[in-house]
Amino acid sequence: DAMVIQNPRYQVTQFGKPVTLSCSQTLNHNVMYWYQQKSSQAPKLLFHYYDKDFNNEADTPDNFQSRRPNTSFCFLDIRSPGLGDAAMYLCATSRGQAPEAFFGPGTRLTVL
Amino acid sequence: AQRVTQPEKLLSVFKGAPVELKCNYSYSGSPELFWYVQYSRQRLQLLLRHISRESIKGFTADLNKGETSFHLKKPFAQEEDSAMYYCALSKSGNTPLVFGKGTRLSVIA
Repeated sequence: DAMVIQNPRYQVTQFGKPVTLSCSQTLNHNVMYWYQQKSSQAPKLLFHYYDKDFNNEADTPDNFQSRRPNTSFCFLDIRSPGLGDAAMYLCATSRGQAPEAFFGPGTRLTVL
Repeated sequence: AQRVTQPEKLLSVFKGAPVELKCNYSYSGSPELFWYVQYSRQRLQLLLRHISRESIKGFTADLNKGETSFHLKKPFAQEEDSAMYYCALSKSGNTPLVFGKGTRLSVIA
């Protein structure tokens, strides 16, 4: 089945230690998104790629970076995680002009 | 900026009772509205979109531009409907979704 895959499902890191979350998709969608979701809050868009074009949300901290080496893969890098970055990170994809997004299962990040 | 408001954090109903999950939005243009659902231990998935005007799993939602609402309704709730429901908005065809905080629906047998 075509899908969005996120690895790992659970990630534990230490305060200040860089961490990378991975997302891959077999849907061949040209748009990929990273959302951050904290407990009892709405998923919050961090950034997205429209093809190779990177779009950063204005309020996304500089601590968060992303890479998309090809259509299928997208990475979220957190350079120096703080306790406030503990959250569920959701990767999603969509196709061209259609805004409905297909989500991965998420990676739950714990910062010790 | 666009905003989506789901006023109820938790909604509990008895099996067979009608359900209405409220969603209001603020956006001056003509948005596209969606409902997403997340069942226990599953990923967030699209339930329905306003442009399709379809009924999925017995759920319907009508876009009311005058009241800027997109409430989700089902006439008879089932236990399997228990889940987290998120309302989402897109400004136009190729802009990312903005989500509400979600409503947890609990259907009691």
